[in-house]
Amino acid sequence: AQSVAQPEDQVNVAEGNPLTVKCTYSVSGNPYLFWYVQYPNRGLQFLLKYITGDNLVKGSYGFEAEFNKSQTSFHLKKPSALVSDSALYFCAVRALESGYSTLTFGKGTMLLVSP
Amino acid sequence: DAGITQSPRHKVTETGTPVTLRCHQTENHRYMYWYRQDPGHGLRLIHYSYGVKDTDKGEVSDGYSVSRSKTEDFLLTLESATSSQTSVYFCAISDGAGGTPNYGYTFGSGTRLTVV
Repeated sequence: AQSVAQPEDQVNVAEGNPLTVKCTYSVSGNPYLFWYVQYPNRGLQFLLKYITGDNLVKGSYGFEAEFNKSQTSFHLKKPSALVSDSALYFCAVRALESGYSTLTFGKGTMLLVSP
Repeated sequence: DAGITQSPRHKVTETGTPVTLRCHQTENHRYMYWYRQDPGHGLRLIHYSYGVKDTDKGEVSDGYSVSRSKTEDFLLTLESATSSQTSVYFCAISDGAGGTPNYGYTFGSGTRLTVV
């Protein structure tokens, strides 16, 4: 079975400071990894993905994520946070090679960026 | 969200009544999903479909049924609603493990269901 852990319910950061939202995963074989963002009263929006290749993945709105196979982690990062980045962030995983499989999501991390 | 709509957006219903939520897509994607979102649980898969009339259970399928009679529509039915089914329900679509722009899902805007 595949699973995702987001160890922080909430991350607080001041505007202009770097931010990190943590994610670790468990999956058989090689993973597809994703980050989604949810703004209030909206559906989830795709931010970025890791499939293969470069371990540093760049996505929308200046976000990036680093895939670390040995630590089974896929942390979301941004060099300089904006107040408008405040939202709920979800990490998700699916297995790459086991035929078709569904996405499994973490419980989400609320990011609060203060002015 | 482009190409996928959910209806209704909000619904209040009484315990014991049947409820059907609709997901409609215009992307001609093969795969469709129903998730529920609850505080502290994130998103949990209820049911999914991998083609017309082909469906399978997810992690939290008890008390729910689904139907997919055509590619564009995926219906979620609560046969007899309970207060524990009060939640926000999201539909998602994808066209499979390969050949997709992002290999992930596109989500609808959600249905907020309250069972009183």
